[in-house]
Amino acid sequence: KAGVTQTPRYLIKTRGQQVTLSCSPISGHRSVSWYQQTPGQGLQFLFEYFSETQRNKGNFPGRFSGRQFSNSRSEMNVSTLELGDSALYLCASSHQGASNEKLFFGSGTQLSVL
Amino acid sequence: DQQVKQNSPSLSVQEGRISILNCDYTNSMFDYFLWYKKYPAEGPTFLISISSIKDKNEDGRFTVFLNKSAKHLSLHIVPSQPGDSAVYFCAASGFGNEKLTFGTGTRLTIIP
Repeated sequence: KAGVTQTPRYLIKTRGQQVTLSCSPISGHRSVSWYQQTPGQGLQFLFEYFSETQRNKGNFPGRFSGRQFSNSRSEMNVSTLELGDSALYLCASSHQGASNEKLFFGSGTQLSVL
Repeated sequence: DQQVKQNSPSLSVQEGRISILNCDYTNSMFDYFLWYKKYPAEGPTFLISISSIKDKNEDGRFTVFLNKSAKHLSLHIVPSQPGDSAVYFCAASGFGNEKLTFGTGTRLTIIP
């Protein structure tokens, strides 16, 4: 069974631009979550999608948005990029997104904002 | 506010010895706890979990201990091996709070 796939692996953007990241969950998984990892901050929860609906949202500004398609694939968009958005963005999937389910992570997209 | 805290950013342990990684939490609603391991350039992978009805869970060389009164959990790795060198994250969740809350991670280095 293929794992969680994230594309692209690396991105370099400049301030003010916008970016779209993609995530394909494990086949059969309907919940997709996004996390931001920065040094010293650990993994910060961005949002979770289930059946094309945003079910949970973390404390990030509205510049961060996402969506999920009918095949459970998900995209995350960041508009008006800031230097502080430089981070590793991780996508994780699970069957139902229940609190006691383990998450399966992709390898992440490393975003650098110059 | 950091609800899950890993106060040691790094830890070095001799190969063959015990590695003990610690994690504290503040939210008393958390009732499920997990440890993830992360190698560079890879996503975190699930290691072991424990629910609040238990105080210990073992899986091979890995044991997680939970002290609910102290809001503290620890991961013991015995014996430590070079392949255990990685960043370890603890995470917690609770009923009605479906998202996992992660700590900031501890970088474990096993010295041969």
